[in-house]
Amino acid sequence: DAMVIQNPRYQVTQFGKPVTLSCSQTLNHNVMYWYQQKSSQAPKLLFHYYDKDFNNEADTPDNFQSRRPNTSFCFLDIRSPGLGDAAMYLCATSRAPGASGTHEQYFGPGTRLTVT
Amino acid sequence: DQQVKQNSPSLSVQEGRISILNCDYTNSMFDYFLWYKKYPAEGPTFLISISSIKDKNEDGRFTVFLNKSAKHLSLHIVPSQPGDSAVYFCAASSRGGKLIFGQGTELSVKP
Repeated sequence: DAMVIQNPRYQVTQFGKPVTLSCSQTLNHNVMYWYQQKSSQAPKLLFHYYDKDFNNEADTPDNFQSRRPNTSFCFLDIRSPGLGDAAMYLCATSRAPGASGTHEQYFGPGTRLTVT
Repeated sequence: DQQVKQNSPSLSVQEGRISILNCDYTNSMFDYFLWYKKYPAEGPTFLISISSIKDKNEDGRFTVFLNKSAKHLSLHIVPSQPGDSAVYFCAASSRGGKLIFGQGTELSVKP
């Protein structure tokens, strides 16, 4: 089955210790997104890649970086995690803008990040 | 400024009855609206969508209604089933751009 996979599902890191979350997809979608979701809040878009073109949201802290080495994989790097970065991190994919069904995003199961 | 709002954090419905989840938006440029369903420890899954050129879209037990003049959309689930218990997010986009999500409504369907 075509899908979006996130690893690990649960990640514990120490305050200030860099951490990397990974996402892979078998849908062959052009666009990959990273969202942050805190309890009882809407998912908040951090950035997205359209193929290799990186698009950062204006209010995404510099502490958050992303890499997309190929179509299938995308990584979220948190350089110096703070307590406020504890959240669920969701990866999603979609077809290219203008393609049929482009609005629909397909989400992975998420990675729950805990910062101690 | 929250452009998409779901004002009811929770809703409880009896099995077999209708569930109505509501969503309001402020940006008149939104032209596409979606509903996602999320179970605990899983990512959101796409449920149903509607373009702004329509006022209704139906898929089985799920119907989405769009009232552009009121900037309001709703999701109707009928009949509701216990397996429908989840958090429902509405989302909106403009010209194929990024999705803006509401905060979600937790639906509980009681047997």
